[in-house]
Amino acid sequence: AQKVTQAQTEISVVEKEDVTLDCVYETRDTTYYLFWYKQPPSGELVFLIRRNSFDEQNEISGRYSWNFQKSTSSFNFTITASQVVDSAVYFCALSAPTSAGGYNKLIFGAGTRLAVHP
Amino acid sequence: GAGVSQSPSNKVTEKGKDVELRCDPISGHTALYWYRQSLGQGLEFLIYFQGNSAPDKSGLPSDRFSAERTGGSVSTLTIQRTQQEDSAVYLCASSHGSSYGYTFGSGTRLTVV
Repeated sequence: AQKVTQAQTEISVVEKEDVTLDCVYETRDTTYYLFWYKQPPSGELVFLIRRNSFDEQNEISGRYSWNFQKSTSSFNFTITASQVVDSAVYFCALSAPTSAGGYNKLIFGAGTRLAVHP
Repeated sequence: GAGVSQSPSNKVTEKGKDVELRCDPISGHTALYWYRQSLGQGLEFLIYFQGNSAPDKSGLPSDRFSAERTGGSVSTLTIQRTQQEDSAVYLCASSHGSSYGYTFGSGTRLTVV
């Protein structure tokens, strides 16, 4: 069975602080994809990153960085020098193969609500 | 279109009535998904369409829920005999293929009174 756990329900930081959102996943598959999505107050889910299970390189995009460690089944997300506009709910998700050989549904974690205060 | 379009954005219905929610995916996207997000909850998979393949309906919570996708494009999610526990935001997403990033619509907020 596949599962995604985001243990942090809510995080509150002051602007310019760094913050790390944790994501731990479970799957028996050797090939899978991991995702992060941002859901601002407007409600729309915004795609941030996709990472396949064979690529453990860390990735940096501006103030965002991701640390993928297969050894601990974790795919953590760090925001450097947080800003008020980063306030949102962040979801980690896993996509695993089906018995037919394709991939289908995204399995989401419960989400972490990040509040960045001025 | 430029993004995934969902209508209506809000729907209030009386318990027992049927509702139809519409999703217009990004042009050319072969995969289409429906998810449900209840208040304060995570995202629950409902159904997935990929091209002409049989849909994966494994997430539909009961036989009151059904969905179809016409011509490989627009999809309609139908909830019959709505119940209060059906109140949620229903999100549609599309992608080039199931392993790519999914683009989500803004959702339909359904309230059953």
